[in-house]
Amino acid sequence: SAVISQKPSRDICQRGTSLTIQCQVDSQVTMMFWYRQQPGQSLTLIATANQGSEATYESGFVIDKFPISRPNLTFSTLTVSNMSPEDSSIYLCSVEGTGSFNEQFFGPGTRLTVL
Amino acid sequence: GENVEQHPSTLSVQEGDSAVIKCTYSDSASNYFPWYKQELGKGPQLIIDIRSNVGEKKDQRIAVTLNKTAKHFSLHITETQPEDSAVYFCAASEGGYQKVTFGIGTKLQVIP
Repeated sequence: SAVISQKPSRDICQRGTSLTIQCQVDSQVTMMFWYRQQPGQSLTLIATANQGSEATYESGFVIDKFPISRPNLTFSTLTVSNMSPEDSSIYLCSVEGTGSFNEQFFGPGTRLTVL
Repeated sequence: GENVEQHPSTLSVQEGDSAVIKCTYSDSASNYFPWYKQELGKGPQLIIDIRSNVGEKKDQRIAVTLNKTAKHFSLHITETQPEDSAVYFCAASEGGYQKVTFGIGTKLQVIP
C-alpha cells in the first residue's frame, strides 16, 4: 500500500480564518479522496480529487468552503475556508489501491480545532 | 444512496475471548466490503476486505463473513489481545472507484 503523509498533523485556528491541509503520497495515484471525521463520528466523504480535473463534491460540501487542488499525481491540498467551531474535525486524505475494488488507504489525518 | 448500519457501538471483551461486529447495507449493487481499524490519533487502517463473490475470508485471527441475500456482513476477531483495542469501521462500495460508505464505528476494548 502507498505511504501517505499529511501536514499539519494538528492545528488550532481562530474563527474566520482558513487552513490548507496537504496530502503527499509516495507513488502516483489517479484518485485521491478527502474525508471529514467529526469527534466520535464516522467518516464522511467531502470530495474526490482526480488529477487534471475539478474535484467532485458530495452533497453538503461546496467548493467555496472546501477548495481542493490536485496539481499532480502525488499531491493534493484541501482548504477549510472561513472556519467556524463546527469545522473542528479530523480531516483525512485517502488514495485508491491498485486493485479494482476501490480499496482505499488513509493518511494519518489532520486534527483541526477552531476556537 | 447506500446506508450502512453497524452494531454494537461499543464492545468490551476479556483478553482471549472472541469479538463480533455486525453490519448491514441497503444497496444490493454493493459488492465490496472493507473493514478498517482506527487507533487513537491515527488514520483508519484497512485490515481485511471481502468481495461479493465469496462468503468468508480469513486472515490469521480475523475473519469476515458476507451474506448477500440478507445484506449483512460481520467481522470476527478470535483470541483477542489488548492491541486489538481500537475503533473498527465497516464499509460498503460498488467497487470500481465508486463511493465508499462507512458505518458508525465500533469501539472495541479488550480487557487484560
